[in-house]
Amino acid sequence: AQSVAQPEDQVNVAEGNPLTVKCTYSVSGNPYLFWYVQYPNRGLQFLLKYITGDNLVKGSYGFEAEFNKSQTSFHLKKPSALVSDSALYFCAVRDTGDSSYKLIFGSGTRLLVRP
Amino acid sequence: DTAVSQTPKYLVTQMGNDKSIKCEQNLGHDTMYWYKQDSKKFLKIMFSYNNKELIINETVPNRFSPKSPDKAHLNLHINSLELGDSAVYFCASSQGFWVNTGELFFGEGSRLTVL
Repeated sequence: AQSVAQPEDQVNVAEGNPLTVKCTYSVSGNPYLFWYVQYPNRGLQFLLKYITGDNLVKGSYGFEAEFNKSQTSFHLKKPSALVSDSALYFCAVRDTGDSSYKLIFGSGTRLLVRP
Repeated sequence: DTAVSQTPKYLVTQMGNDKSIKCEQNLGHDTMYWYKQDSKKFLKIMFSYNNKELIINETVPNRFSPKSPDKAHLNLHINSLELGDSAVYFCASSQGFWVNTGELFFGEGSRLTVL
C-alpha cells in the first residue's frame, strides 16, 4: 500500500528566506504527487502536482517542488517566504500500481514564517 | 459562489445522537469524497462516490452512512455518535475518479463536537 511521510511537524523560517517542506513517499507503481495547503478554518487548496515530465514543477503563490525518484521525495520549496505563507501543508500521493486509486495524505507540516 | 459547500459548519451534539452533514458541489464534477481530519490534523479518506456509485469505503464504522442522491450532492449521516467521532469532516470533489490524477476541490469543513 502507498504511504507518504512528512518528517517535520513544524518548519520555522524568517520572512524573505528560502523554505523547504519535506515529503517522502512509498508506492508500488508510479506516483502522482501533490501538495495542498490549508489555512486556518479552511479546506485544503491544491498547490501543485507532479504526474510525469519535468522533475521540477511550479505551482501557485511562487511554490515549486522537485520530484526525486531515487530518493522517493517530493519536497516543497519557495525561494523567499512570506508571512502569509504560514499555514498547514500536506503532501499527498496516488499510486498507479494500486487499483484503489486512493489519494493518501501525509500528516501535515505547519509552516510558520516570522516577520 | 462557493464551489464545494458543506452544512453545517459547526455541530455540537451529545453522545448517542444521530446527525447529518450535507455537501453540495457546483463544479459539475462526478466524483465526491468524505475525509475525516482528527485533532492532530491527520486527514483520512472515508468514502468516495463516482456518478452516485460507492467506489471507496474505508474501514469506517457502519454508524457512518453516506448518501448521494445525485452527482452534485454527497451527504454523511452518523448514527449513535461517540466521543471519538469528534473531528472536522471535509467534503471534496473531482472530475472523474479513475482518470483524475488526484486534484481535489475541498469544502471548508464541518467541525463536529460530541459531548
